[in-house]
Amino acid sequence: QSVLTQAPSVSGAPGQRVTISCTGSSSNIGSPYEVHWYQQLPGTAPKLLIYGNNNRPSGVPDRFSVSKSGTSASLAITGLQAEDEADYYCQSYDSSLSGSVVFGGGTKLTVL
Amino acid sequence: QVHLVQSGGEVKKPGASVKVSCKAFGYSFTGFEIYWVRQGPGQGLEWMGWINPDNGDTNSAQKFQGRVTMTRDTSISTAYLELTRLTSDDTAVYYCARNSTLDPWGQGTLVIVSS
Repeated sequence: QSVLTQAPSVSGAPGQRVTISCTGSSSNIGSPYEVHWYQQLPGTAPKLLIYGNNNRPSGVPDRFSVSKSGTSASLAITGLQAEDEADYYCQSYDSSLSGSVVFGGGTKLTVL
Repeated sequence: QVHLVQSGGEVKKPGASVKVSCKAFGYSFTGFEIYWVRQGPGQGLEWMGWINPDNGDTNSAQKFQGRVTMTRDTSISTAYLELTRLTSDDTAVYYCARNSTLDPWGQGTLVIVSS
């Protein structure tokens, strides 16, 4: 049971826009703690996708963006491409767990 | 470039211990914490703990306290994760990653616990 809640799966057609939500509580996303997002392509290690307030590591296209409101955060992907098919994880910290790192359960994105 | 290289896969019997290494390249090893995360078969990501390579301070998830030891050898820019009293539930890919933004990740080390 993950501390942060994500839908198990989401799908979209090429070119469409999809969003992946991440719901937490006042002790994690709802606190000043940042939320980070990771992409895990099949059979590979996760990769940092976006950190904090829409900060993208070098090489990550601006088709990927995030937002945060209250105790939830969202990852939006526009202009969906086949190569975006992957698992996506949100991550934050939790003050009720002494600042421990917490993850969402992951969302499998399928490009139809 | 900045990257982390982990040790190879391991097969262990229940009750045994495993030690995974994570060697850092391309940056000052003592300048960034090393985090450890594991992923069970078909499962999500689970944070295990972190170590500050500069002073050796550690913080581990409550679930693993008493079973996990994180150490480092600054002379070879390498961090270690040791997990004891293994059970089949510890079968997973173990990852190291740099800093609180977990970037980059090592390639992962598969640990199989089986009798």
